[in-house]
Amino acid sequence: QKEVEQNSGPLSVPEGAIASLNCTYSDRGSQSFFWYRQYSGKSPELIMSIYSNGDKEDGRFTAQLNKASQYVSLLIRDSQPSDSATYLCAVNPNSGNTPLVFGKGTRLSVIA
Amino acid sequence: ETGVTQTPRHLVMGMTNKKSLKCEQHLGHNAMYWYKQSAKKPLELMFVYNFKEQTENNSVPSRFSPECPNSSHLFLHLHTLQPEDSALYLCASSQGQSSQLAETQYFGPGTRLLVL
Repeated sequence: QKEVEQNSGPLSVPEGAIASLNCTYSDRGSQSFFWYRQYSGKSPELIMSIYSNGDKEDGRFTAQLNKASQYVSLLIRDSQPSDSATYLCAVNPNSGNTPLVFGKGTRLSVIA
Repeated sequence: ETGVTQTPRHLVMGMTNKKSLKCEQHLGHNAMYWYKQSAKKPLELMFVYNFKEQTENNSVPSRFSPECPNSSHLFLHLHTLQPEDSALYLCASSQGQSSQLAETQYFGPGTRLLVL
């Protein structure tokens, strides 16, 4: 069974700090990786996608992928209270239109 | 706005009622999804339609009945639901082709359902 594991948190960081969110996955053949942000009572919103080993930066967000370790992370620099949300890691186990497998999410709280 | 709309946004129904949830996507996508998200629980994939054909039914009870008349519209028909079915029901869409860029799913705002 394909699994995506995340620490449920809450992860508390002070405003301005770097928040580090981690995700591991079980299917070594996974090709595509996504981070979604979900505010309480709202629907998930895509933040980042990453397909190759290494880092991918977009503004204050950096996604890191290590396929050998089956590990993907999301770093949020200069964390703001508005970043407080649940962050969902999603993995596509194969190329093509296989449904994404979602982790349970990590709740992030940025303290002003 | 993601280009995926859902109606109604909120729904309260009794266990004997019949109601339908509607999802519409304006992205030209070919794959559509229904997810259930209960309080403090992860997303649960319910149904997947790709090019109007149902490709996945994740052991969902028959009181939930999906319908996909075309690639832009997806319905979830509800009948004789139970209180434990109260949850946020999310619709999503993706390109539906064999391409890395095609796998990204875009979510609608959800329908918050309360079954009394």
